[in-house]
Parts: sequence; C-alpha cells; structure tokens
Amino acid sequence: DAGVIQSPRHEVTEMGQEVTLRCKLISGHNSLFWYRQTMMRGLELLIYFNNNVPIDDSGMPEDRFSAKMPNASFSTLKIQPSEPRDSAVYFCASSLTNTEAFFGQGTRLTVV
Amino acid sequence: QKEVEQNSGPLSVPEGAIASLNCTYSDRGSQSFFWYRQYSGKSPELIMSIYSNGDKEDGRFTAQLNKASQYVSLLIRDSQPSDSATYLCAGSDRGSTLGRLYFGRGTQLTVWP
Repeated sequence: DAGVIQSPRHEVTEMGQEVTLRCKLISGHNSLFWYRQTMMRGLELLIYFNNNVPIDDSGMPEDRFSAKMPNASFSTLKIQPSEPRDSAVYFCASSLTNTEAFFGQGTRLTVV
Repeated sequence: QKEVEQNSGPLSVPEGAIASLNCTYSDRGSQSFFWYRQYSGKSPELIMSIYSNGDKEDGRFTAQLNKASQYVSLLIRDSQPSDSATYLCAGSDRGSTLGRLYFGRGTQLTVWP
C-alpha cells in the first residue's frame, strides 16, 4: 500500500489566490483528518470526516477554509482567498474507525 | 475542549539512558492514546498505541496509561541518537463513533552520543 498521498508537496502562492490541497486515503480506511502544523500552535485538527461525512469542523479557522470528500478515497482542503498567516504545513491522516491514524507526507504552504 | 498537555522539554539524555516522556489529558471520556514520533521536516509516525490501564511494551518502547490520573507516558530504553525527534502524544474519544484525534504540542528529545 502506498500510504496516504498528499499533493502538492510544496505550494507557494500570492496572497488572495485560491489554494487547493489534495489527499488520497489508504485503501479501506473510512476516517480522514486534516491538520495544520506551525511552530506557534503545534498540530491543530481542522476537520474530521467519517464515512465521507464531516463530523467535526470546529477547528476550521474561518469561512475562507473549506473541505470536501467527493468520494470515499479522496479529499480536498481549499483556502480562498489565502493569506500570509495561512502559511504552515498541512497534513492529512486516515484511519479505519477506532484504529490508529496514519499521516501523509504533508503540504508545505507559503503565502507571500 | 479536549486537551493534551505534554512536558514541554526539550529533553536531553545520553545514549543508552532511559528517556521518559509524559502527558496529561483533560477529557475523561477519552478512550485511546497514541504516541507519534516526528523527525524534523517529516510527518508524524505512529510508534505506540494504548487503550487500557497499565503498561504496553514494544521493543525498547513502553507506553503507560493511568486513566484515574489522566496520565500517559512513554519510556524509551537504551536511547539511541536515532531516537532524537519530537514526540507527540495524542488522544481520541474513539469509544464512540466520533473518533476525533487531538494532539499535544510535543516534546523534543535529543539523545547525545
């Protein structure tokens, strides 16, 4: 199994632009987490899906952030418009409900 | 708000020593706990999971859970320089179907030769 796959690995964009981060879950997993990691705030949970349904989005910073699961194996996290304070490493992780979560390689986002 | 607090560190131990990493959690409903290791510039990697009170051993690693004290720890025996990383404690309310996974800030460990 290739594990959780995220793309792109690095993204540099200008303030105000739309950014889309992508995540492919491990085959057979049904839970999906999006996290943001910064030095200041550590690893923050943004949103959690179970069986394609958003269960907890209380960590989504504001309306500029949105996440979807169009099918059972794929998710996107969109930021529109992006701001410099959104610069961070974004991770997705997948699991089978009630078991351990496995992380993707992350996307390093820089908004200038 | 569920929270996990870790001893802030950084922690520095000599090669061959025991490294002790600790965390406490605020939500008594939390059922499952995990330790992840994160090397600089890399993604978190699962190293231990623990679901019931007591100790769980895997090679040089021992995880300990005390639900009454809301305390989780990780012991690394015979520490090696390759163990130098940030260790993240995580909790989950996976006793329900919700399964939200939340992390502490991490403890940076350095093992010097």
